[in-house]
Amino acid sequence: QVQLQESGPGLVKPSETLSLTCTVSGGSISRYYWNWIRQPPGKRLEWVGYVSYSGSSKYNPSLKSRVTISIDTSNYQFSLRLSSVTAADTAVYYCAREQTYAGNNYFDYWGQGTLVTVSS
Amino acid sequence: QSVLNQAPSASGTPGQRVTISCSGGSSNIGSHPINWYQHLPGTAPKLLIYSNDQRPSGVPDRFSGSKSGTSASLAISGLQSEDEADYYCAAWDDGLHGPVFGGGTKLTVL
Repeated sequence: QVQLQESGPGLVKPSETLSLTCTVSGGSISRYYWNWIRQPPGKRLEWVGYVSYSGSSKYNPSLKSRVTISIDTSNYQFSLRLSSVTAADTAVYYCAREQTYAGNNYFDYWGQGTLVTVSS
Repeated sequence: QSVLNQAPSASGTPGQRVTISCSGGSSNIGSHPINWYQHLPGTAPKLLIYSNDQRPSGVPDRFSGSKSGTSASLAISGLQSEDEADYYCAAWDDGLHGPVFGGGTKLTVL
């Protein structure tokens, strides 16, 4: 059974960089796209971006200037870096595996999520 | 519109059939398949329905999905207490060039 687990600091100061890692177990990290999705308190889920197994990436245009998602296939991990954070970046951050079927992309495995609070 | 709309809450009694709706626009539901996720707070969200009406292995056939035009529905029959959760719809959006999510519907089993 594929499992994803987020890890990283739960508290980040304003203007600093948020860094999270997602560790994949129970399955291959190859052939898939690996995503970050977040949910601010009381708000809807928001797609942050993805990295492919080959290292290509794509980001939500609203975050593009501040986001970097990278992958380390040898350690079955992928990471999120979000720079210049503000209180608006406070959210539960989820990592998720993207699956493709007949032209449809969806998230078939998710991590439990980790709350990141931006506060001084 | 680049967002999907869901009613914030729904409820039903055990054994009842409930329907959760999701509406969007031509850039998302109108052009792309819809997917549904079940989420119990504190746990990993779970894929419930993909490609409008497909159930992943292990999802009971009490759960079914449908789509028409720019709207979609998730139906749960034979409601059980364990179905109490948040349900989210999602679809690719041409404007965002990525997936968009509904605001979620909190299902209460009375």
